[in-house]
Amino acid sequence: DQQVKQNSPSLSVQEGRISILNCDYTNSMFDYFLWYKKYPAEGPTFLISISSIKDKNEDGRFTVFLNKSAKHLSLHIVPSQPGDSAVYFCAASAFGNEKLTFGTGTRLTIIP
Amino acid sequence: DAGITQSPRHKVTETGTPVTLRCHQTENHRYMYWYRQDPGHGLRLIHYSYGVKDTDKGEVSDGYSVSRSKTEDFLLTLESATSSQTSVYFCAISESTRQGGFYEQYFGPGTRLTVT
Repeated sequence: DQQVKQNSPSLSVQEGRISILNCDYTNSMFDYFLWYKKYPAEGPTFLISISSIKDKNEDGRFTVFLNKSAKHLSLHIVPSQPGDSAVYFCAASAFGNEKLTFGTGTRLTIIP
Repeated sequence: DAGITQSPRHKVTETGTPVTLRCHQTENHRYMYWYRQDPGHGLRLIHYSYGVKDTDKGEVSDGYSVSRSKTEDFLLTLESATSSQTSVYFCAISESTRQGGFYEQYFGPGTRLTVT
């Protein structure tokens, strides 16, 4: 039972345009959500997070939106740059739970 | 950079042999985790630790054991390696956020294990 789903295995976006990566979850206990970025042959790195008391969190070119009623979150990258080409993982947890549940990842390719 | 190292970084071993992977942290964090990453499956939790000598199973723990005798070291052992355990293994450490109750994890560089 996949509690965190990333339904798009891959996405290609032109440099300078907006990249939108999507993530859905089924567990209503989840109230903290994170995005990780992973380059080949490296470990995932933490990118941005959001708690359920917010519906938006912004950090530079990266913005995460949370729609609790739809159990959906998205990561917007604008403008997209070649260095953004990577695999992006969505993750979720419940308050007080030290474990994360990860999605299967979306490979983002930025086309110069 | 979270101070996490993994050793070895690459290993090729034969079916049936025991293998131990090491994770070392310099951050003194309480929580440590072992994941495996496979195509189409994302990151799956194998085992985690919430303190010295305190460990628990994750979703894919069969065929794996762990030990944590010191805060800084978390070992993953494959008692008898099988080809299905060919994967990339990541260690992570965790701390709670400033709000408390939420945990962000920081990952090591990974170990690529091939079982032939």
